[in-house]
Amino acid sequence: RKEVEQDPGPFNVPEGATVAFNCTYSNSASQSFFWYRQDCRKEPKLLMSVYSSGNEDGRFTAQLNRASQYISLLIRDSKLSDSATYLCVAYMIKAAGNKLTFGGGTRVLVKP
Amino acid sequence: DGGITQSPKYLFRKEGQNVTLSCEQNLNHDAMYWYRQDPGQGLRLIYYSQIVNDFQKGDIAEGYSVSREKKESFPLTVTSAQKNPTAFYLCASSINRADTQYFGPGTRLTVL
Repeated sequence: RKEVEQDPGPFNVPEGATVAFNCTYSNSASQSFFWYRQDCRKEPKLLMSVYSSGNEDGRFTAQLNRASQYISLLIRDSKLSDSATYLCVAYMIKAAGNKLTFGGGTRVLVKP
Repeated sequence: DGGITQSPKYLFRKEGQNVTLSCEQNLNHDAMYWYRQDPGQGLRLIYYSQIVNDFQKGDIAEGYSVSREKKESFPLTVTSAQKNPTAFYLCASSINRADTQYFGPGTRLTVL
């Protein structure tokens, strides 16, 4: 089982709709989480950090469920420019050394 | 402008050659990282450094080498021992290992 798992998608979303997707993590000691956005053939860019139960930034809301070990990202009023791959990242506490672990990404396609 | 830069943007290598990818940051970050991304895949950690003159292997260090002689610089050498080096290479930096990572624009390496 991967340490951080994401549905690869693609999620095809009508413009203006709401889309939500999850990311599950295996290490219950994970302390902090991040969502990054990556456009095709570009570097990942930070979308938001999630340190407690959740975070909201404009049309984007991240929620953390520690009991079920997942974080979700919800995008409201989707724009064409939201089309990208969204990477989930968990900061994992491990005996071999703490590290950030990336999921494989969820691809979102917003269509007119 | 503060940021992280990588060069070159595109690099072509013949089999059997070593090549060095540059990564420079002026964010005064202590930690720096090298990742590899293959098409449709997530990021995999090659090497990381938490402080000058110190670096640690990541998950896929074989066939790669790094140095950290200056805080601002963390070059990656792809050696001839790396059997499948064609990939997108991303450098990142952060204040410390638990903090948000900021990525450079990446170097796309192709072996001819």
